Amino acid sequence: GQNIDQPTEMTATEGAIVQINCTYQTSGFNGLFWYQQHAGEAPTFLSYNVLDGLEEKGRFSSFLSRSKGYSYLLLKELQMKDSASYLCAVEGNYQLIWGAGTKLIIKP
Amino acid sequence: GAVVSQHPSWVICKSGTSVKIECRSLDFQATTMFWYRQFPKQSLMLMATSNEGSKATYEQGVEKDKFLINHASLTLSTLTVTSAHPEDSSFYICSGSSGRASSPYEQYFGPGTRLTVT
Repeated sequence: GQNIDQPTEMTATEGAIVQINCTYQTSGFNGLFWYQQHAGEAPTFLSYNVLDGLEEKGRFSSFLSRSKGYSYLLLKELQMKDSASYLCAVEGNYQLIWGAGTKLIIKP
Repeated sequence: GAVVSQHPSWVICKSGTSVKIECRSLDFQATTMFWYRQFPKQSLMLMATSNEGSKATYEQGVEKDKFLINHASLTLSTLTVTSAHPEDSSFYICSGSSGRASSPYEQYFGPGTRLTVT
C-alpha cells in the first residue's frame, strides 16, 4: 500500500530549530512537497524536492533521500507565526498522496 | 502571483438544499483544478481533479452525482454540493495548477469554504 508518516505533533521554542520528518512508501515517486497550513486556512506551498539533497529557502530547508524514502523540513530561528501544521505530500504516479500533517507548537 | 480565490468563504445551509462554491484563478490560467475536503484535525482528502473543458475525475468513494464539478474556463471551476446533509459539513478547498511549474501538482490553493449543513 501507499503510506506517508509524519509525527502528529511537535513542540519547539521560539528562536530554536526544529526538524519535521516524513517517511513514505509509494508506488512511484516524482517529487515531494511540503506545505504549511495555519488553522482554518488553506495550505501554502513551501518546497518541492525531486533530487536527493538539501534545498534551502531562507529560514526553511527541505531534505530528500529517495533511497531511504525520507524527507525532512528544517525550520530555523523559529517565530511564533510558524505555529501551524506542516503537510508532506508525495507525487506518485498520476496522484498526490498527502500525509496527515505535523502540528507544530511554538512556545515563547 | 498565483492567487486563487473562493466564494463564499463560509456558508450555512439547511439539509436537503444545494450549495455552489466557486473557485477562481485570478492571475494565471489553471489548466487543472483540484477539489479537496478537510475534516477537523485531518489531512486534505482529494475529491476530484478537473481539466478545463473535460469531465472531472473523481476519487474512489466520492459520489459524482452529489458533488458536481464544472471547469468551464481556465479561470473558473465550481463545486456544487447537491442535497446537502450534515455529514457534508466540512472545509472545502480548491487549488489550481498552471501546468507550467516544475510539477503538475504544484498547486496554488484557494482560502477554502467552510460549509455547515444544519
